[in-house]
Amino acid sequence: GQQVMQIPQYQHVQEGEDFTTYCNSSTTLSNIQWYKQRPGGHPVFLIQLVKSGEVKKQKRLTFQFGEAKKNSSLHITATQTTDVGTYFCAGLDGNEKLTFGTGTRLTIIP
Amino acid sequence: KAGVTQTPRYLIKTRGQQVTLSCSPISGHRSVSWYQQTPGQGLQFLFEYFSETQRNKGNFPGRFSGRQFSNSRSEMNVSTLELGDSALYLCASSIPGQEDYGYTFGSGTRLTVV
Repeated sequence: GQQVMQIPQYQHVQEGEDFTTYCNSSTTLSNIQWYKQRPGGHPVFLIQLVKSGEVKKQKRLTFQFGEAKKNSSLHITATQTTDVGTYFCAGLDGNEKLTFGTGTRLTIIP
Repeated sequence: KAGVTQTPRYLIKTRGQQVTLSCSPISGHRSVSWYQQTPGQGLQFLFEYFSETQRNKGNFPGRFSGRQFSNSRSEMNVSTLELGDSALYLCASSIPGQEDYGYTFGSGTRLTVV
């Protein structure tokens, strides 16, 4: 079945530094979604990417979808303490089944 | 509008028992998906229901089952509980074809099996 891997598993950054998480799928995706889960919370939808090579920005967050629609990345510029949490990518396949990646847990050192 | 409501929030059960969890989606959302979240395995897809029909199923044993009612509310059932079933069970609702809005998750039911 479809597998979605993310690296790194954990990332500790100094406040103000940049952060990037990478997502790779074993199969081509219809689209990719990104979610953020705060400690003790539930996943919250951030964005969806549909087109090959698509790039979207939300303030300090930049999301990219690979040309082959099998990989994606999330980049946060100048991290803040509010960015703490686990970031998940999730790939939607042709059967509309959403498979979540393994997640990257981001911690910020003040 | 109200979000996705999951009940109960916490549950402690004994090995061998069975449990039923409930999920009420956002009004108008007809698709409900269930996920199991554990520290070691991340978010694992259980199943998805749309218009009372199971549309997708993950790789879980038959002890895990679900259903959806005509009002889109969904329940999942786990029979013959095992210690390894301890997890946070999350449900999410969505509108197929409107993935721009993503899945909206409930706060989850934390199940502890002792």
